[in-house]
Amino acid sequence: EVQLVESGGGLVQPGGSLRLSCAASGLTVSSNYMSWVRQAPGKGLEWVSVIYSDTSTYYADTVKGRFTISRDNPKNALYLQMNSLRAEDTAVYYCASYLYQFLFQHWGQGTLVSVSS
Amino acid sequence: QSALTQPASVSGSPGQSITISCTGTSGDVGGYDYVSWYQQHPGKAPKLMIYDVSKRPSGVSNRFSGSKSGNTASLTISGLQAEDEADYYCSSYTSGSTLGVFGGGTKVTVL
Repeated sequence: EVQLVESGGGLVQPGGSLRLSCAASGLTVSSNYMSWVRQAPGKGLEWVSVIYSDTSTYYADTVKGRFTISRDNPKNALYLQMNSLRAEDTAVYYCASYLYQFLFQHWGQGTLVSVSS
Repeated sequence: QSALTQPASVSGSPGQSITISCTGTSGDVGGYDYVSWYQQHPGKAPKLMIYDVSKRPSGVSNRFSGSKSGNTASLTISGLQAEDEADYYCSSYTSGSTLGVFGGGTKVTVL
């Protein structure tokens, strides 16, 4: 059974930084495409970033230049480094396995990031 | 890239069938057979229900079915049950600057 467990969320001031983690089991992060998807309070889903098995990365325009996706193969973990955070980045961030062509198969339970002064 | 258009809410009585629409453009829904549907209960993570327009992952009830016509995809829930009450999101691969796009979500209420 695949399990994805996010952590690292919390309250941060505008302009601050935060690193989210996603611990995977039942799935090998290095040989899968992995992604982050977020959901602002009471709003819909928004794709954030993806990392492919060849380590190439892609980002939504709204986070490009501020967020960095990475992985740690020995730890079988996925990360999202978030810098220059803005109020509009407030959301639950989900780690998800990405199959192909915008298809997300397995999802974590999410971690809440709140950006506020 | 604009979000796909879904009705804000759809309701039905137990046992009935309901259909949720998801309208995009020829650059996303109409151009590719890569439409997915996700179910999300309050406070829970999304769950994949339909992919590639009409395919069901293992374990998903056959009461859920998907289809597409032109730029509009649809999710039909047959034999509506109380447990089907949730938010549903469509998504599509796109040829635009982003990998893909989600719909705004539809709240399904079982009366």
